[in-house]
Amino acid sequence: SQQGEEDPQALSIQEGENATMNCSYKTSINNLQWYRQNSGRGLVHLILIRSNEREKHSGRLRVTLDTSKKSSSLLITASRAADTASYFCATEGYSGAGSYQLTFGKGTKLSVIP
Amino acid sequence: DGGITQSPKYLFRKEGQNVTLSCEQNLNHDAMYWYRQDPGQGLRLIYYSQIVNDFQKGDIAEGYSVSREKKESFPLTVTSAQKNPTAFYLCASIKAVPGTGELFFGEGSRLTVL
Repeated sequence: SQQGEEDPQALSIQEGENATMNCSYKTSINNLQWYRQNSGRGLVHLILIRSNEREKHSGRLRVTLDTSKKSSSLLITASRAADTASYFCATEGYSGAGSYQLTFGKGTKLSVIP
Repeated sequence: DGGITQSPKYLFRKEGQNVTLSCEQNLNHDAMYWYRQDPGQGLRLIYYSQIVNDFQKGDIAEGYSVSREKKESFPLTVTSAQKNPTAFYLCASIKAVPGTGELFFGEGSRLTVL
């Protein structure tokens, strides 16, 4: 299994500050994805970065990928109270027999204090 | 509006009973997935199906069963053989061939064994 591991497990910041979450994984990947989950809800896809990309932006989100270190980071700039949620990284890799699998980490719980 | 519908949202079961969780999608996605989420944990793959009438076991398939008779539907049965079934269950689907896109999730079903 090439499970991603997020760090930190929990993060509390003031509104307006930036939030940075990290993800490390163990084996080669096809792509890495970040998802958001509000409490008691389903996951929502935020951004996908392919193994040959190093950085990607989407609105207030910035994702980096370092395949040599097998790590990724998610930066949320100018955080808002509405960003309070759990954030998961998911690594996608080849699992054999022509199929790919997404493996999720345990997530970072972000609290943004108004 | 297209999306994934899971039902019921909350379900209570007595020990020894089988229960079936429904998952329906109208996104015309080929592949569908069932994940289990325990408190403070990531998602663990139970079963997945890439095509009608075919499905594969994930990492924690014991005590669960699925069927894929229609492209739109992927029900999950939690059998009495599952020793610790209390959890949050998430269904997901993917548009493109696995390996090229992101998962779309339902809102989840919370199962509690009494």
